[in-house]
Amino acid sequence: GEDVEQSLFLSVREGDSSVINCTYTDSSSTYLYWYKQEPGAGLQLLTYIFSNMDMKQDQRLTVLLNKKDKHLSLRIADTQTGDSAIYFCAEKENSGYALNFGKGTSLLVTP
Amino acid sequence: DVKVTQSSRYLVKRTGEKVFLECVQDMDHENMFWYRQDPGLGLRLIYFSYDVKMKEKGDIPEGYSVSREKKERFSLILESASTNQTSMYLCASSQRGVTEAFFGQGTRLTVV
Repeated sequence: GEDVEQSLFLSVREGDSSVINCTYTDSSSTYLYWYKQEPGAGLQLLTYIFSNMDMKQDQRLTVLLNKKDKHLSLRIADTQTGDSAIYFCAEKENSGYALNFGKGTSLLVTP
Repeated sequence: DVKVTQSSRYLVKRTGEKVFLECVQDMDHENMFWYRQDPGLGLRLIYFSYDVKMKEKGDIPEGYSVSREKKERFSLILESASTNQTSMYLCASSQRGVTEAFFGQGTRLTVV
């Protein structure tokens, strides 16, 4: 499938904001997702955004989409130790069935 | 509550064995998926199914097959397990036309 790229690691201090970035190449992507995976668990959907939106906010989470640059970011405000996990960016075409995932960003939150 | 259940959390199998990984969803979803997850490689799609008895190859189908005889169950089959199939296997399901995919807890398979 088309490429979805993320940096592999991010370390932040508790209370700071975290920003996880993602780029994708498929211009026909209609839905863009952020999933969270805690150790030993499956993936949990955090939020998603339609390609005709440029921002979505949900409590501590803010998603920004720059469609021209094919860049997606996830900002976590007031990051807590419980936010330590792997975060996956994913995209899907409107006509597609399966999500295409990036390699995941491991977020480490230190006290 | 939404549920995707994989039959085993951990499995150890010998090289050459035939291995079955089972996944059941209770949400009446049309679509079901099998991914494998490896460090540094993320999630890669093995196979998916959009209806009973229907299947489509994903990005890495070699060495695998699938079966979907009932809507709620999607099985991944390793015909002759090899050590390079040691991995975390994740099943997911989604409703046709709906955005969210729900994941099971994963099966960590070790082939020795």
